[in-house]
Amino acid sequence: QKEVEQNSGPLSVPEGAIASLNCTYSDRGSQSFFWYRQYSGKSPELIMSIYSNGDQEDGRFTAQLNKASQYVSLLIRDSQPSDSATYLCAGVNTGGFKTIFGAGTRLFVKA
Amino acid sequence: DADVTQTPRNRITKTGKRIMLECSQTKGHDRMYWYRQDPGLGLRLIYYSFDVKDINKGEISDGYSVSRQAQAKFSLSLESAIPNQTALYFCATSGGRGANTGELFFGEGSRLTVL
Repeated sequence: QKEVEQNSGPLSVPEGAIASLNCTYSDRGSQSFFWYRQYSGKSPELIMSIYSNGDQEDGRFTAQLNKASQYVSLLIRDSQPSDSATYLCAGVNTGGFKTIFGAGTRLFVKA
Repeated sequence: DADVTQTPRNRITKTGKRIMLECSQTKGHDRMYWYRQDPGLGLRLIYYSFDVKDINKGEISDGYSVSRQAQAKFSLSLESAIPNQTALYFCATSGGRGANTGELFFGEGSRLTVL
């Protein structure tokens, strides 16, 4: 079992809809979680960080963390074609030394 | 100029050749990482370094070695390249006052093909 699991997709949503991306993790000691966006042929870029249970909002993006369920999600409101990318979920392991990534979910936003 | 620079950006080599991928950064971060990315497998950690005298193995270090020549430079070597090392390699940094280890800044990537 991978330490960070994501559905590979692709997830397709119409422009203006809410895109919901999900991630589960196995390391119960993980305290910090991140969402990275990676456009095709480009490097990953950090878009959201979340450290405590609940929601963390930044513009159209909301990250959600539920440590009891070991579940992290990313909501993208008012999805735009420019949001089409692969979204990588990541967590820092117990001890805080390593960042482990999921395989990523491909998102397509249709105009 | 990019804050995290990788060279070469693309390299094609043959089985058994020695290859070095280089990474330099101007962000002043202490922590540097090498990841490889394969389709369907995401990013996997090869090695990481928290300062010049600190080198640690990641998830998939077999067949790789690293050198931290200075705070700003971290190179990855494949002593004898094999075809299943064909991948996209990323260097990343983290650090800065109050920064979390997981807040990574990536280079543009080095695409390596081993024939």
